[in-house]
Amino acid sequence: DQQVKQNSPSLSVQEGRISILNCDYTNSMFDYFLWYKKYPAEGPTFLISISSIKDKNEDGRFTVFLNKSAKHLSLHIVPSQPGDSAVYFCAARYGQNFVFGPGTRLSVLP
Amino acid sequence: DTEVTQTPKHLVMGMTNKKSLKCEQHMGHRAMYWYKQKAKKPPELMFVYSYEKLSINESVPSRFSPECPNSSLLNLHLHALQPEDSALYLCASSQVGTIQTQYFGPGTRLLVL
Repeated sequence: DQQVKQNSPSLSVQEGRISILNCDYTNSMFDYFLWYKKYPAEGPTFLISISSIKDKNEDGRFTVFLNKSAKHLSLHIVPSQPGDSAVYFCAARYGQNFVFGPGTRLSVLP
Repeated sequence: DTEVTQTPKHLVMGMTNKKSLKCEQHMGHRAMYWYKQKAKKPPELMFVYSYEKLSINESVPSRFSPECPNSSLLNLHLHALQPEDSALYLCASSQVGTIQTQYFGPGTRLLVL
């Protein structure tokens, strides 16, 4: 049973436009959410996080939105750059346990 | 310094071998993690150490044996592995507390023949 879902395996966006990556979760015990970016043959790199008591967190070009009632979060990247092309993982935490979604491959086209 | 280092980068071993993976961080983090990642799949949590004590073992077979000798080091001892254990093994660390951003190492790519 997948507790963290990323229903879009891939996404293509034109350079300069907005990229929106979505994530849904089922476990209401999750209290902290993170987004990671991963290049091939590297470990995941932390991007941005949000506590369950907030609905928005912004850091430069990256903004994460959390809708707790819908158990949904999204990552917005504006403007998208070719260097943003990677696999993006959504992760959720309860206690010391982190659960990752299956990832979305983002391709930013020049 | 936000770096987590892992050695070796690559490892090939036979099913009767014994080997160890090493992970090190100097960020003062007191939680350290081992994940296993198969191709095109998300990382799956294997073990969590908190203050050098094993706090979570996600039903991992005993052929994987973790060890946390001190707050900066985490080892994963491997013995009698199966070919299906071939994967990328990722180490991560974080603070212990409400806000826990995990920092990942580059991983060890393991091939079991």
